[in-house]
Amino acid sequence: QKEVEQNSGPLSVPEGAIASLNCTYSDRGSQSFFWYRQYSGKSPELIMSIYSNGDKEDGRFTAQLNKASQYVSLLIRDSQPSDSATYLCAVNEANFGNEKLTFGTGTRLTIIP
Amino acid sequence: GAVVSQHPSRVICKSGTSVKIECRSLDFQATTMFWYRQFPKQSLMLMATSNEGSKATYEQGVEKDKFLINHASLTLSTLTVTSAHPEDSSFYICSARDAGRNTGELFFGEGSRLTVL
Repeated sequence: QKEVEQNSGPLSVPEGAIASLNCTYSDRGSQSFFWYRQYSGKSPELIMSIYSNGDKEDGRFTAQLNKASQYVSLLIRDSQPSDSATYLCAVNEANFGNEKLTFGTGTRLTIIP
Repeated sequence: GAVVSQHPSRVICKSGTSVKIECRSLDFQATTMFWYRQFPKQSLMLMATSNEGSKATYEQGVEKDKFLINHASLTLSTLTVTSAHPEDSSFYICSARDAGRNTGELFFGEGSRLTVL
């Protein structure tokens, strides 16, 4: 059974600091990885996607992937109160197709002003 | 691009009635859509995979006769909660994958909050 593990938190980070969110997955054949942000009462919103080992940066967000360790992370620099949300890690076994994503349970992040 | 619209956003109904939720991909074609349910403070639970022109694939423990899914076109999937009961009250979210992109990303609708009295 494919599993995606996240620390449920809550994770509290001071405003302006770096928030680090971690995710591990069990299926070594996984090929594509995603981070979604979900505000309370809202649906998930895609933040980052990453497909190859290393870092991928987009604004204040950096996704890091290490397939050997089966580990993917999300760094949020200069954290803002608006970043307070639940962050969902999702994994797919292929880069394309109709395969369903496997979601982690999410990490609740709170940015303290 | 890759916008998914879901309607209605909120619905309140009496126990025993049926409720239909629509999910539309506005600017792309979606051969596959996914329906999720989320209870308060819990993660997304995949209910079923909706395939255009064929029967939906339901996850274990999800009653296909209670949660009817129709994916009649490349831009529309519907979920009908039949004979709804208070325990069906939840946040229902659809998602779709852009058939024109080979990226595997899922794009989510805004969600539909169902309250059964």
